[in-house]
Amino acid sequence: KAGVTQTPRYLIKTRGQQVTLSCSPISGHRSVSWYQQTPGQGLQFLFEYFSETQRNKGNFPGRFSGRQFSNSRSEMNVSTLELGDSALYLCASRRNTGIKAEAFFGQGTRLTVV
Amino acid sequence: AQTVTQSQPEMSVQEAETVTLSCTYDTSENNYYLFWYKQPPSRQMILVIRQEAYKQQNATENRFSVNFQKAAKSFSLKISDSQLGDTAMYFCAFMKTTSGTYKYIFGTGTRLKVLA
Repeated sequence: KAGVTQTPRYLIKTRGQQVTLSCSPISGHRSVSWYQQTPGQGLQFLFEYFSETQRNKGNFPGRFSGRQFSNSRSEMNVSTLELGDSALYLCASRRNTGIKAEAFFGQGTRLTVV
Repeated sequence: AQTVTQSQPEMSVQEAETVTLSCTYDTSENNYYLFWYKQPPSRQMILVIRQEAYKQQNATENRFSVNFQKAAKSFSLKISDSQLGDTAMYFCAFMKTTSGTYKYIFGTGTRLKVLA
């Protein structure tokens, strides 16, 4: 069974550009969440999608957005990139939104903004 | 607001010895889950162990066990017989669910190095 797949693994962008990251959850999983990991802030929750609907959102500016497709794949978009957006972006998939559903993480996309 | 605190940024332990990683959290919720995740250099977060708050019995998974003190809001991880492959960042996390939505709140992590 394939795990959570995040593409690309590494990305370098220039300030002001926009970027789209992709996350393919485990087959059968319908919940996808995104986290930003930085050395100073640790892991911060960005948002969660379930059945193509955003269910929960963290405290990030509107430049951070996401969506989920009917096949449960999710994309995260960051517009007008800032240097501080450099981070490891992790996504996690769960079978459903039940509290017992275990989260499985991908290996992340390392975004560097120069 | 819920917070998770890991007060040990770095720790080291000799191979085959035991080490305990500390975690405290703050919440007013009564029903929640606590987790320890391991992040090796490959960057993939791997679930080590989880504890349901309403269960008084401490969770164990092979060499990994927790000391869950609900009243003190403490959730430490004990690794017995440490192995070189245990070298990683360890994150303590709190999860609560509200109306079918959930999110993890992570601590800032403890970097564990197992020495040969």
